[in-house]
Parts: sequence; C-alpha cells; structure tokens
Amino acid sequence: KAGVTQTPRYLIKTRGQQVTLSCSPISGHRSVSWYQQTPGQGLQFLFEYFSETQRNKGNFPGRFSGRQFSNSRSEMNVSTLELGDSALYLCASSFVGFPTGAYNEQFFGPGTRLTVL
Amino acid sequence: GQQLNQSPQSMFIQEGEDVSMNCTSSSIFNTWLWYKQDPGEGPVLLIALYKAGELTSNGRLTAQFGITRKDSFLNISASIPSDVGIYFCAGRLEASYGKLTFGQGTILTVHP
Repeated sequence: KAGVTQTPRYLIKTRGQQVTLSCSPISGHRSVSWYQQTPGQGLQFLFEYFSETQRNKGNFPGRFSGRQFSNSRSEMNVSTLELGDSALYLCASSFVGFPTGAYNEQFFGPGTRLTVL
Repeated sequence: GQQLNQSPQSMFIQEGEDVSMNCTSSSIFNTWLWYKQDPGEGPVLLIALYKAGELTSNGRLTAQFGITRKDSFLNISASIPSDVGIYFCAGRLEASYGKLTFGQGTILTVHP
C-alpha cells in the first residue's frame, strides 16, 4: 500500500501571497489531519477532515483553511502569508472503524516545507 | 499549547546502551503513539497503545500505556547508530477524533 503523499515537497513564497498544499491519504483512510511543525512551537494540530467535513480545528487564524474531496484527498490553504508561517506542514491519515468510529494509528506524509520570504 | 511533557529533551549515549524516555500529562488520553522523525521527513509511527497498562514491543523498542492513562514511556534496548533522530510521543484525548497532541520531542544521539 502506498503511504501518505504530499505535494509539493518544497515551496517558497513571499509575504502576502497565498499557498495551497495537497495531501493524498493511504487508500481506505477517510480521516486526514494537518499539522504545522516549527522549531519553537513543535507539532501543532491545524484541523482534521473526515468524509469531506471538518471534524476538529486547532487554534490557528482563519487564514488557514482546508477541504477534503470525495476521494479523501485533502488540501490546505494559507492566505495572506506571513513570515511566521514558514514551517513544515504535515498531513496524516487514519483509518476510522465503522460503525464504532474508533480511530486507529495515524500515519504521516513527508511534509511540505514552506518558506515565506 | 501542548499538554504533554516529554523528557528528557535530549540524550547522548554510547552504542549498545539502553534508552528510556517518557511523556506525562495532566489529561487522560485514550491512545498513546510513539513516533521517530529524521531531519526533513515526516514522523514515522513506531508503536501504538490503546489500553491502560498495555505493554507493546516492536523489535528493540518497548512502550507502555500508563495505568493512570496520563503517561507513557518508550524504551530502546541495545541502541545502534541508526536510532539517531527525534522521538515524539503523541496522545489522543477522548472524542478528539483525529487530533493528536504531541510532546516536545527527545533528541537522541548515539555515539559509535
């Protein structure tokens, strides 16, 4: 089975621009979670999507948004980029049991390294 | 902010030594996960724990889910140079769905 894939792997943007990152989960995984990783704050949860619906949201400004498509692929968008948005953005997918709704392990992709100049 | 306290922050050990690290929290978690991350890559899942008291091994790695559900530890036996990396604990709160809360990480250096 292919793992979680993220594109692009590296991205350089300037302040004020917007960016869209893409994530393809492991086949059969309907939950996709996004995290931001920085040296100062560590791994911080952004949001989770399940069956095209946002299920949970972290403490980030509204400039950070996401969506999920019917094939479980997910995108996250950051508008009006700031220098502090420079980070490694990680996507992770989980299998969710039915009808229990129980979450199994969460597997991460390689990340997208975003640099804002 | 993060709710997990992971210690130690860093470890410098000789090849062949055993390693122990742990995570504690004031909150009760229903899942504990341990990950290893290499520079520039995403975290790789090492061990998943789902029940209080559960002890699980994966090769030279052993992890336990604390009986209070507020802590977990990871042991690495007979360390080798490729064990170098950053180890993270992560916990899932009840009804938090796909949200994991992460520890600050333990940087492991192994001297041959």
